[in-house]
Amino acid sequence: QVTLRESGPALVKPTQTLTLTCTLSGFSLTTSGMRVSWIRQPPGKALEWLARLDWDDDEFYSISLKTRLTISKDTSRNQVFLTMTNMDHVDTATYYCARTRGYQYYFDYWGQGILVTVSS
Amino acid sequence: EIVLTQSPGTLSLSPGETATLSCRASQSVSSTYFAWYQQKPGQAPRVLIYGASSRATGIPDRFSGTGSGTDFTLTISRLEPEDFAVYYCQQYGTSFWTFGQGTKVEIK
Repeated sequence: QVTLRESGPALVKPTQTLTLTCTLSGFSLTTSGMRVSWIRQPPGKALEWLARLDWDDDEFYSISLKTRLTISKDTSRNQVFLTMTNMDHVDTATYYCARTRGYQYYFDYWGQGILVTVSS
Repeated sequence: EIVLTQSPGTLSLSPGETATLSCRASQSVSSTYFAWYQQKPGQAPRVLIYGASSRATGIPDRFSGTGSGTDFTLTISRLEPEDFAVYYCQQYGTSFWTFGQGTKVEIK
């Protein structure tokens, strides 16, 4: 059974660095064709794709946030991480990790999401 | 970056009616990389349609997708109570994904 589960702090202060963890189950990012992305959604607003990490270690980032984001993985723990620097109030959102695979470029499995609030 | 514009913003309908949701792209997108999602309050999005017209596993046949190029449509026939939700379109191109701003289908 494929699952993804996000974890991390619920509250961060402005200017701090956020680190989120996505724990994968039922599949591995070492398998050819697998990709994991981070997507966020501010309260009441639309979805925004942030970053992607592929099975072959290729990384891709949102153009507008590229300078603040780093996506990485720990294959031994089957985890994918997202680091976002210099957090601001506008970064308050639910952060999701989600999977795409092979020739399919739609997100077939999502985590439940984690709400991160940026406040002093 | 390709911008996806969904219309209408809100659709007020009664159960049993048909919902027609539109998604327009700022430039042509590949149908292969076009999808629709449903999101209910407090839940992650769920894929309904991929490749512009293929239903995802377990999605009822009252959901159908059409379109190509810059204009795509999601049709929900015979609305059921569980279909009232927010719907997002999505496209993938040149290593990036973009989403539309969403259409809320609410009970009239």
